[in-house]
Amino acid sequence: DTEVTQTPKHLVMGMTNKKSLKCEQHMGHRAMYWYKQKAKKPPELMFVYSYEKLSINESVPSRFSPECPNSSLLNLHLHALQPEDSALYLCASSPGGLAASTDTQYFGPGTRLTVL
Amino acid sequence: GNSVTQMEGPVTLSEEAFLTINCTYTATGYPSLFWYVQYPGEGLQLLLKATKADDKGSNKGFEATYRKETTSFHLEKGSVQVSDSAVYFCALSVAGGTSYGKLTFGQGTILTVHP
Repeated sequence: DTEVTQTPKHLVMGMTNKKSLKCEQHMGHRAMYWYKQKAKKPPELMFVYSYEKLSINESVPSRFSPECPNSSLLNLHLHALQPEDSALYLCASSPGGLAASTDTQYFGPGTRLTVL
Repeated sequence: GNSVTQMEGPVTLSEEAFLTINCTYTATGYPSLFWYVQYPGEGLQLLLKATKADDKGSNKGFEATYRKETTSFHLEKGSVQVSDSAVYFCALSVAGGTSYGKLTFGQGTILTVHP
C-alpha cells in the first residue's frame, strides 16, 4: 500500500466556519507534510511532522492549525479563513523522520478548498 | 540557498514526438533530484529520482541523468503519448542544516500532447 488518502476531496466554507482536512497513510512513514498549492504554481510547504511532533512551521498564519493524533493520521484545522486561502491542500509522507534528502515524498490527491 | 529553474512552458507536442524539459539547480550541499508529475485534478506523483552524480533515473519511458558538472537534471522521453499531458515539476532535496530534506520545486512545465 503506497497510498496517501485525503478527505474531503472538495470543501467550500465561509470565512466564519471551522472545518478540518484529514490525511491518512499506512506505509509506516515517520514524516508527514502539509502543502498549499495555488493554480499553476508548485506546492508550498506549510508544516512538517516528524515522529508525530511538529518539527517545521513555515510561518503559516494561526488560522491554520495542524494536528497529528497518531503516526498514521494528520489533520489540518481551519478557522476564519480568507478567500485568498482558496487552494489545493496536499498532504505527503516520507519514510524517514524529517525527510532524509534521498527519501521520496508520497503525495495524496489533495483537498480543493474554496473560501467564500 | 537552494533553487531549481525549469524551462518555461507550456510545451505542446504531437504524439510520438521527442520530449525534453530542461532543469538546472543550485544547491548548498549535495542534493537528491526528483521529477514529479501532476495529472489534472490529482496530487503529485514521483516520476523518477537520482541521488548521486551520474545516476540515471527512469520510469514509464522517461529518463533523467544527474549531471553535477552542469548542475542539470533534464527530463527526456523518446515518444510521448496523449496520456503524458500533465504538469511536470523538477525538485531537489538537501539533507541537514536548515534544509532538513525540504523539497525545493521548480515552477513547473505544462505539457500538452495532441493526437
